[in-house]
Amino acid sequence: ETGVTQTPRHLVMGMTNKKSLKCEQHLGHNAMYWYKQSAKKPLELMFVYSLEERVENNSVPSRFSPECPNSSHLFLHLHTLQPEDSALYLCASSQMRVTDTQYFGPGTRLTVL
Amino acid sequence: KNQVEQSPQSLIILEGKNCTLQCNYTVSPFSNLRWYKQDTGRGPVSLTIMTFSENTKSNGRYTATLDADTKQSSLHITASQLSDSASYICVVKRDDYKLSFGAGTTVTVRA
Repeated sequence: ETGVTQTPRHLVMGMTNKKSLKCEQHLGHNAMYWYKQSAKKPLELMFVYSLEERVENNSVPSRFSPECPNSSHLFLHLHTLQPEDSALYLCASSQMRVTDTQYFGPGTRLTVL
Repeated sequence: KNQVEQSPQSLIILEGKNCTLQCNYTVSPFSNLRWYKQDTGRGPVSLTIMTFSENTKSNGRYTATLDADTKQSSLHITASQLSDSASYICVVKRDDYKLSFGAGTTVTVRA
């Protein structure tokens, strides 16, 4: 285990549903990330939080809403998603500016019907 | 256009054989290059990291090379095992801490 947990591991939702993905890191890191991984494509960085403040947002649609209540927890709130949003959503953490090694969670496999 | 290109997209090898994965990048200014291994159903795990001055870095049966002049890196797997079946991702970091990811090479090791 990498010290980063994600729940749920699998999620199937309709386009009108509202759901949330949860990530928790037990490594004492100061930065957390959300990535989208689609088949045969590079990982896409969605959001970066450092010290609980959003420091990067790569033009992600507003139907994805992140929340970082503290340095150990990160959420991704989902609403009115599209079928093309189906993908593996990975959370990662790191000790930013000290070491850039990112530790990834196992991901949430999201299917939007 | 992606700044990190990996080849091949996928490969199949027999257990015990060696294989080499390629990563070409155009990311600049370069800070470091990292290879990750991603098992099915899991997140990526870092295998090696190399800075500008490092040419070779080993981690068990995995050996990564870096040619910063030609902007190429390779990951060599020696005496492959079934557990080596995974996706291998090349990640290049710029001086401003931004990361560029390759699409990965899927390796399947067959008995």
